[in-house]
Order: sequence, then C-alpha cells, then structure tokens
Amino acid sequence: DIQMTQSPSSVSASVGDRVTITCQASQDVSSWLAWFQQKPGKVPKLLIYGASSLQSGVPSRFSGSRSGTEFTLTISSLQPEDSAIYYCQQSNTFPYSFGQGTKLDIK
Amino acid sequence: EVQLVQSGAEVKKPGESLKISCKTSGYRFTSYWIGWVRQMPGKGLEWLGIIDPRDSDTRYSPSFQGQVSISVDKSIGTAYLQWSSLKASDTAMYYCARRTSITSGFAFDFWGQGTMVIVSS
Repeated sequence: DIQMTQSPSSVSASVGDRVTITCQASQDVSSWLAWFQQKPGKVPKLLIYGASSLQSGVPSRFSGSRSGTEFTLTISSLQPEDSAIYYCQQSNTFPYSFGQGTKLDIK
Repeated sequence: EVQLVQSGAEVKKPGESLKISCKTSGYRFTSYWIGWVRQMPGKGLEWLGIIDPRDSDTRYSPSFQGQVSISVDKSIGTAYLQWSSLKASDTAMYYCARRTSITSGFAFDFWGQGTMVIVSS
C-alpha cells in the first residue's frame, strides 16, 4: 500500500505569509494527488486535484505542484479563513490513502 | 445540484449491527464511484473503501476489509456502509464522497455531511 507523509504536522503563520505544505508518497502516484481543507466540525473540501488543478470556486491563492513523488500545496498570501487542517490523498492505486494532515494556525 | 445526504447519528452497543446510508441526487448515480472515509474523534481522515455503482465492484482498505461492507441500491441512488458486529473502536464520523472522473483526477469532489456513529456499552 502507498503511504503518504505530510510535513510539517503543524505550522503557524501570519496573515499575508506564503505557506507551503509538503506531501511525500512512498511510491510513484503519477499526478493522482488531491489536497483537501477541513475546518473544525466541517466536511472536507477539495482544493486541488491532479496535483496542480484548482477545483472550481477555490481561491487562486491556493496552488499545487509535483516533483517526482513529492507534492506541495502553497498558499501564496495567507488569509484568516485559511486556518484549517490540510490533507493530501493519492488516487493512483487502490487502496487510496490520505496523509496524516497538517494543522495550519494563524498567528 | 449535486447532493449527498447521509443518515443520522447512531448510538449502538458493542456487538450490534448497523447500516448507514448516503443518498445521492443531482447527477447520474451510476457514473461516479462512491467512497467512504472514517474520521475518529480528533484524528485524521482514513480511506475506508469505494464502490462502482454500475456493477458493485468494491475495493477496501486492508485495514477495513472484513470489518465493514459497502453496497448500493441503484434504484434509489443510495450507497450504504454496514457493520455486522460493532466495536467501541468503530466510534467515529463516517463520510461518503463522490469520486470524480479520470479527467478530474479521481478526486472526491462532493461529500456527505457525515454520520456520527457512537458505540458504547
């Protein structure tokens, strides 16, 4: 099975900062990688699919990239409403799998 | 409008059986796989399994294989997650989600609101 490892586990940043979250796959998942945002008590929300495609309605400050088996979610200018837990998920091979999550706090 | 509406919260005792539902609307049910995701209290998302509503082809995470059963009723556009004998460790929020097509990366784009399952003696 494919393991997805996110780093860091938590990050704190200020409004306007550029924030990067990384997800490392244990083997090749091609570009079958999605990013989700989950706020407390809420349903996960799809942000990015196909490693770098922005889901409709998601602000353009969110972007995704891939380098081999390493994937990155970038928030270009952090906003207060971006405080959440972020998860990556591979959909290349069954069983699909999520990363353990990265908690993003606003300073 | 695409919607996935899950059944309500459940409180059960260990050893009891349970079947929760995920009713879909706003799209062709047989065109998209439906997945299930577990979230234990205060923990992360865990991929549980997925089903193709066309032919009920089902894939499970090894962690959940034999512990749960996923099914669909095509006639009413509904997916199910079932336990034959609950354990306290099954206490969690369970989400259903629609998997997109290959052109959209096989991602989960629409989610149900979640069903909280509490198993306690």
